[in-house]
Amino acid sequence: QTVVTQEPSFSVSPGGTLTLTCALTSDSVSTSHYPSWYQKTPGQAPRTLIYNTNTRSSGVPDRFSGSILGNKAALTITGAQADDESHYYCVLYVGSGIWVFGGGTKLTVL
Amino acid sequence: EVQLEESGGGLVQPGGSLRLSCAASGFTFSSYWMHWVRQAPGKGLVWVSCVNNDGTSTRYVDSVKGRFTISRDNAKNTLYLQMNSLRAEDTAVYFCSTGDSHAFALWGQGTVVTVSS
Repeated sequence: QTVVTQEPSFSVSPGGTLTLTCALTSDSVSTSHYPSWYQKTPGQAPRTLIYNTNTRSSGVPDRFSGSILGNKAALTITGAQADDESHYYCVLYVGSGIWVFGGGTKLTVL
Repeated sequence: EVQLEESGGGLVQPGGSLRLSCAASGFTFSSYWMHWVRQAPGKGLVWVSCVNNDGTSTRYVDSVKGRFTISRDNAKNTLYLQMNSLRAEDTAVYFCSTGDSHAFALWGQGTVVTVSS
């Protein structure tokens, strides 16, 4: 069973920069996993932030960027704002038409 | 307006069935793979199932294999999820989403499924 891991929680000060990561327990994450990132606020639909590792979805500010860092996918937020406080999920394509979400990271801006 | 709208959720007893629908508008539905993703109360997002453009290929997460069936009607611009033998752990908000570039592009607002006696 493929497991995707993310930091359960993360805190950042307003204006700060942070990097969230997304790892596979059994392999290195690469562009072949097409990492994508989503913001999820309670009661709302997920918002697509990044797809294909580093492509920003339409309307997403350039404060959000995606990359591969070492053997993990990464989401970097620069200049964190109060309304960035949310849950962030990565998802990896693991082949054979199967996608796996990470457990999500709860981001606190304080 | 480009949108997805889910319906069909509700309260069902364990062992029961529900069929979810996802109506698409504002884009060429038949051009996209479609997905169902769910979120149980207090839990994270989980990919559930997908279907290819013409409905000939489907995939499922292990926990729903043999119980859920995804399908689509491109003439009606509608995606379906037939859920049988429902369990308490299937309780969740179910979202439909378009698949594009190996990611989830457009999302609906979700429909709530509660499995309880």
